[in-house]
Amino acid sequence: EAGVAQSPRYKIIEKRQSVAFWCNPISGHATLYWYQQILGQGPKLLIQFQNNGVVDDSQLPKDRFSAERLKGVDSTLKIQPAKLEDSAVYLCASSFNSQGDEQFFGPGTRLTVL
Amino acid sequence: QKEVEQNSGPLSVPEGAIASLNCTYSDRVSQSFFWYRQYSGKSPELIMSIYSNGDKEDGRFTAQLNKASQYVSLLIRDSQPSDSATYLCAVTSPFQKLVFGTGTRLLVSP
Repeated sequence: EAGVAQSPRYKIIEKRQSVAFWCNPISGHATLYWYQQILGQGPKLLIQFQNNGVVDDSQLPKDRFSAERLKGVDSTLKIQPAKLEDSAVYLCASSFNSQGDEQFFGPGTRLTVL
Repeated sequence: QKEVEQNSGPLSVPEGAIASLNCTYSDRVSQSFFWYRQYSGKSPELIMSIYSNGDKEDGRFTAQLNKASQYVSLLIRDSQPSDSATYLCAVTSPFQKLVFGTGTRLLVSP
């Protein structure tokens, strides 16, 4: 069974530029999550989708971050404009459903904002 | 008060010893508990899940849950240098997001 796919693996941009990350979850997983992990901290949930609907985006900085999962499968996370403090690893995870299910993570995208 | 607390470590143990990793959580209605292992530069990998009080064993790993004390632990028997990593505790309540601790760094010396 293929795991969660993410691209790109690394991205370096200058502040105020925009960037987009892509995620393809495990086949059959209805729930998709985007996390931000800053060095030395645990992952922090940015947004959770159940199929193509948003379940939780309470910690998403909506003035600069946006995410979509139009067909209930792939998802993109966008940052525009980026700030220095956005430098982090962005992790995508998926689970079969959302209620206490085990989540499986992709390899992540390491973003550096200069 | 942090929702999920872990000692950041590092926790140093010799090869072959038992490593004991601890986690406390603040939400009394939490019902799903997970341990993830994260190697440096890699993404978290699920190693154990536990949902009811008591012990759950899987190979060299044992998860222990005490809901009355709001405490979950992970024991690693016969620790190996390859177990050296950061171990993340994660907790979720009904209809709530998964919340991670900051992780405990484990170092197993040969």
